[in-house]
Amino acid sequence: DTGVSQDPRHKITKRGQNVTFRCDPISEHNRLYWYRQTLGQGPEFLTYFQNEAQLEKSRLLSDRFSAERPKGSFSTLEIQRTEQGDSAMYLCASSFPDRGNEKLFFGSGTQLSVL
Amino acid sequence: AQSVTQLGSHVSVSEGALVLLRCNYSSSVPPYLFWYVQYPNQGLQLLLKYTSAATLVKGINGFEAEFKKSETSFHLTKPSAHMSDAAEYFCAVSVASPGSARQLTFGSGTQLTVLP
Repeated sequence: DTGVSQDPRHKITKRGQNVTFRCDPISEHNRLYWYRQTLGQGPEFLTYFQNEAQLEKSRLLSDRFSAERPKGSFSTLEIQRTEQGDSAMYLCASSFPDRGNEKLFFGSGTQLSVL
Repeated sequence: AQSVTQLGSHVSVSEGALVLLRCNYSSSVPPYLFWYVQYPNQGLQLLLKYTSAATLVKGINGFEAEFKKSETSFHLTKPSAHMSDAAEYFCAVSVASPGSARQLTFGSGTQLTVLP
């Protein structure tokens, strides 16, 4: 168990640019979540995958955001035409529901700064 | 819709003193409640969760929380603070099935400082 890995740890970009983040979940975990955390706030749910299927999307996930998990393993989150309001920590979590007892394991996050 | 309110964005205690972090929830259906801890530069880690079994829930690192329906509260306590407890703590609520972490709604967090 090497934990949930996120890359990059930090990303600085200019407004209007596209950015992509990667999340590598714990290998046997079939569920993967993306959350966004702004300064002074708790994480907010963005989207959720079970294997390669994206099953839920929050209203926070505007058309500029897209997430994929093509082979049911790693996931990417892309933000197009970034805005200053996108500046936040993007957290990934994974889990494997075990007899109805699901526990999330979080990565350390990608800190995005949009200038 | 469910929501969580954490009273006090910053709490300071002396080492060895009682830790009390407050959380009140709002939910139209019986909730499932969680406490997570976030150490600097690390991801969130589950401390404990309430899933309608015992109202007093024991977690890791000596923490426990009590579910009080009449007060809509789920406060986190630890009898004796340790320097290593300094971190940010998040209360969260879910109305999904008890074994599911889906649809978690987090509070805004409480930063705990432990003074020597």
